[in-house]
Amino acid sequence: EIVLTQSPVTLSLSPGETATLSCRASQSVSDNRLAWYQQKPGQPPRLLIYDVSNRATAIPGRFSGSGSGTDFTLTIRGLEPQDFAVYYCQQYGRSPWTFGQGARVQVK
Amino acid sequence: QVELQESGPGLVKASETLSLTCSVSGGSISPNEWSWIRQPPGKGLEWIGYVSYTGFANYNPSLRSRVTMSVDTSSNQFSLKLTSVTTADTAMYYCAKVTPAGDYYDGAGYYIQRGFFEYWGQGILVSVSS
Repeated sequence: EIVLTQSPVTLSLSPGETATLSCRASQSVSDNRLAWYQQKPGQPPRLLIYDVSNRATAIPGRFSGSGSGTDFTLTIRGLEPQDFAVYYCQQYGRSPWTFGQGARVQVK
Repeated sequence: QVELQESGPGLVKASETLSLTCSVSGGSISPNEWSWIRQPPGKGLEWIGYVSYTGFANYNPSLRSRVTMSVDTSSNQFSLKLTSVTTADTAMYYCAKVTPAGDYYDGAGYYIQRGFFEYWGQGILVSVSS
């Protein structure tokens, strides 16, 4: 099983700043099959990024993904009030598909 | 636009079987794969498994001995059964449509799907009482 470790666990930032979230895999993610999700309280996760760097439908350009192998990053440039939430990475290169433990972006 | 809706009992007794159904609208069960994911209160996400429209299922090894997923194409639904539940199975259970991202041969005779989740149900909270 591929274990995904996200860091930092909590990020405290102000609106307008840039959030950089890391997702490190315990082994290489096959064919860079990695996604990012945003989850707000009481809601299901929302797909942001798939295949490392492809934005999902209707996702704003301030969200971007990068990385390869075992190290991946989600960057949110110019945080807006609605971006404060919990973010998860997910690998789907090898079964079982696994999620990171989550990273919270909160208002400073 | 695919919509998914989970249904089933919100309370299950320990040692009994948790049974949930996901109803799909705005799209067909075929020719797609469908997943269940759960989230204990205040914790992260755990993938339970996926089931194909053909009935083929791939489960998380951590739950494989207790999980069964199936599809009902005539009703456009798929379902989850989890046996011998404990309080550790208390969670929000989500159903989701798998967006396919290719597959790979597992060396044991099966092609395993790769996929992520663009469409989710709202989730159903299932509590297990001891």
